[in-house]
Amino acid sequence: DAKTTQPPSMDCAEGRAANLPCNHSTISGNEYVYWYRQIHSQGPQYIIHGLKNNETNEMASLIITEDRKSSTLILPHATLRDTAVYYCIVRPPYSNSGYALNFGKGTSLLVTP
Amino acid sequence: NAGVMQNPRHLVRRRGQEARLRCSPVKGHSHVYWYRQLPEEGLKFMVYLQKENIIDESGMPKERFSAEFPKEGPSILRIQQVVRGDSAAYFCASSVVVGAGANVLTFGAGSRLTVL
Repeated sequence: DAKTTQPPSMDCAEGRAANLPCNHSTISGNEYVYWYRQIHSQGPQYIIHGLKNNETNEMASLIITEDRKSSTLILPHATLRDTAVYYCIVRPPYSNSGYALNFGKGTSLLVTP
Repeated sequence: NAGVMQNPRHLVRRRGQEARLRCSPVKGHSHVYWYRQLPEEGLKFMVYLQKENIIDESGMPKERFSAEFPKEGPSILRIQQVVRGDSAAYFCASSVVVGAGANVLTFGAGSRLTVL
């Protein structure tokens, strides 16, 4: 799986957009970019995924650069409940470990009042 | 529309006892994954199972740990002769393919094992 690099921590004011970057310069053509988050003591939660095109759902938007070497997760109006560790994960469609995800250290996002 | 159900949510064991953690995947999901999260650390993949088969156990400690996903019933993660270092949160996830090979894992709330 391609390695990802994320800043260890970020702050964001409540109501503002939170933009979380992720570098994945060794990504292969068939590898997807996934974002998950883990709110303290809870199980990880899926946010969004993409291959080449930008994606948007009810939680967030995912912007993938044209060369696919980096991406940004955007939470358009951050709330206090968005305080969590956000994980950017790159992996191929299927492997010997099925669809298992390798979680790195992620970005700890703190949303402040 | 229940998600992944894990029980017990909290389990306390003394050193040397056995711990059994259960996971019922989302209805219709036939892939189950177990992860471990040690205190203040990240999530580590342990094992991937399909019904009645262990597909990948590369992240499972070689001794004392075992997992199963029988034809009927929940997946079980079993830890024999627990030691203090086994104290952790154990998360189960299940998955379904969402078109073109992409996949989403749905995680349970976790089982927190404390070894005294």
